[in-house]
Amino acid sequence: DSGVTQTPKHLITATGQRVTLRCSPRSGDLSVYWYQQSLDQGLQFLIQYYNGEERAKGNILERFSAQQFPDLHSELNLSSLELGDSALYFCASSAGQGGTQYFGPGTRLLVL
Amino acid sequence: AQSVSQHNHHVILSEAASLELGCNYSYGGTVNLFWYVQYPGQHLQLLLKYFSGDPLVKGIKGFEAEFIKSKFSFNLRKPSVQWSDTAEYFCAVNSGDSNYQLIWGAGTKLIIKP
Repeated sequence: DSGVTQTPKHLITATGQRVTLRCSPRSGDLSVYWYQQSLDQGLQFLIQYYNGEERAKGNILERFSAQQFPDLHSELNLSSLELGDSALYFCASSAGQGGTQYFGPGTRLLVL
Repeated sequence: AQSVSQHNHHVILSEAASLELGCNYSYGGTVNLFWYVQYPGQHLQLLLKYFSGDPLVKGIKGFEAEFIKSKFSFNLRKPSVQWSDTAEYFCAVNSGDSNYQLIWGAGTKLIIKP
């Protein structure tokens, strides 16, 4: 158990819908990272927040957004969902702005 | 731009065989190096990491990796694999120049035949 929690574990929704994924980092970690993992694209870094502020952006679509709240938990919002958004979404946390990342169990999203 | 290359996308071995997975990175400065493992249906777990000191790093489950600066490499090794080592293995690198963002390799899928 890494100490990073994610909810929900599974999510099934329809195209065009909007979902919110939630992540709680390890106690004391200030950075939260979001990743998408799919069979065809592999592991893709989406976005990082550090102490409430966006720190780095990767291959995140405009339909996706994230935020980190004062209690340091983070939410990833996915809107206008498409079939191709079906994937595993992982959250990771680290103590500082970089360094060792500890991963949560992931949310498996299925868009029908 | 920095990049990480894992040469083998798929590796199939028999139990008790020795394992070496290659990882090369492109950055010439000071780097931190990581290997993560993802067992089927699970999340990524840290296997081992190198920040400084002894270039031979020992990790969990009998894995080790050697940092060879002159070759820009951080290969993962295990002398005798088990069926339970079947997983995907990711190499990652960060540095001050990348603001300590992890740059990930594409992963190597390892299948151990019982």
